[in-house]
Amino acid sequence: GAVVSQHPSWVICKSGTSVKIECRSLDFQATTMFWYRQFPKQSLMLMATSNEGSKATYEQGVEKDKFLINHASLTLSTLTVTSAHPEDSSFYICSARDWGPLEQYFGPGTRLTVT
Amino acid sequence: DAKTTQPTSMDCAEGRAANLPCNHSTISGNEYVYWYRQIHSQGPQYIIHGLKNNETNEMASLIITEDRKSSTLILPHATLRDTAVYYCIVRVEGTGGFKTIFGAGTRLFVKA
Repeated sequence: GAVVSQHPSWVICKSGTSVKIECRSLDFQATTMFWYRQFPKQSLMLMATSNEGSKATYEQGVEKDKFLINHASLTLSTLTVTSAHPEDSSFYICSARDWGPLEQYFGPGTRLTVT
Repeated sequence: DAKTTQPTSMDCAEGRAANLPCNHSTISGNEYVYWYRQIHSQGPQYIIHGLKNNETNEMASLIITEDRKSSTLILPHATLRDTAVYYCIVRVEGTGGFKTIFGAGTRLFVKA
């Protein structure tokens, strides 16, 4: 199946700094990418949907100025957590959709810890 | 809101079939039922999907009732590595196409 990678797999940062997480589709072109957040023992929560070359659509309650999403190419999307705080510590998972099939492929996730 | 309901947790003996139920009584005629699973600290893994016919692949079987209001995922011979959270999802349409909304899922424990 198609492969989605994320980098880094984990990151620790200090409060107030910004962190960028990359999501890449390795063997297909992703017209749409999704970003999820998952807190311990909870389900995945969809944060935003991004289409290549256009602005991301954020889910209700997600601060778009805090979670900056860029989908500049068909194989790369980035999520930047700006001015991170300890409550932003979470498992961030990206997902990518191929052109045709009704398939959505998930990355391995990035664990962010803000100290 | 997720459009499915699943039991919170289930146990299964290793080597036996694991049958995971899902209710999706408000499913629309053109919506598919998808199953994913998430092993601890990993991204979700696609298992199987179907519209109205039963489906089978190398991982599992999906049985959808005739009225499509419920389905069952069957892992025919569960192993310890099948311990995971299993998510039953009905695909919704959103801006720019569909988006996948996760419910709470079923935590499956496969025991030796």
